[in-house]
Amino acid sequence: QTVVTQEPSLTVSPGGTVTLTCASTTGAVTSGNYPNWFQQKPGQAPRALIYNTNNKHSWTPARFSGSLLGDRAALTLSGVQPEDEADYYCLLHSDGVQIFGGGTKLTVL
Amino acid sequence: EVQLVESGGGLVQPGGSLRLSCEASGFTFNTYWMSWVRQAPGKGLEWVANINQDGSEKYYVDSVKGRFTISRDNARNSLYLQVNSLKAEDAAVYYCARGTVASPGTDYWGQGTLVTVSS
Repeated sequence: QTVVTQEPSLTVSPGGTVTLTCASTTGAVTSGNYPNWFQQKPGQAPRALIYNTNNKHSWTPARFSGSLLGDRAALTLSGVQPEDEADYYCLLHSDGVQIFGGGTKLTVL
Repeated sequence: EVQLVESGGGLVQPGGSLRLSCEASGFTFNTYWMSWVRQAPGKGLEWVANINQDGSEKYYVDSVKGRFTISRDNARNSLYLQVNSLKAEDAAVYYCARGTVASPGTDYWGQGTLVTVSS
């Protein structure tokens, strides 16, 4: 059974750059897994940020970008803002089913 | 404006059933995949099930197979999740989400409906 793993927590300074990653226990993450990324703040529903590896939704701030980094999917935040403090989840597709990673708690400090 | 409004959650005893609903508006419902995603209190997101545009394809996470059924009524712009044989570990906020165009994933999400399982 596939497990999707993310860094449990990361800390970044305002204005800095941070990369969150998303790995699969069954092997390399590829574009065929159609990686998606979501942001969730306390008490709110998740908000979609990235789909199909590196595509932004119309509402996604320019400082967010998605990519493949080695055998993982990655979400990079450049010029981090205080309001970026949140939980971030990746989602991978595999043979019809979808699997979320455990999430990364991003602290802006 | 795309809107997804879930309803039907509540308190149910172990072994009980509920029917969750999601009413969609602001887009052409019958042209999108739809998904249910849940989040237990203080925990991460878990994809539960999804369904294609005409209801002919359905996929489930292993832990709910045989107990949950996803369906849709395109005439009513509504998505459903029938949840049976509920267990304590099914307690969560259940979100309805719209699929992204042309690739797996989701874009718009509802605010969720809370399912509590307790005797």
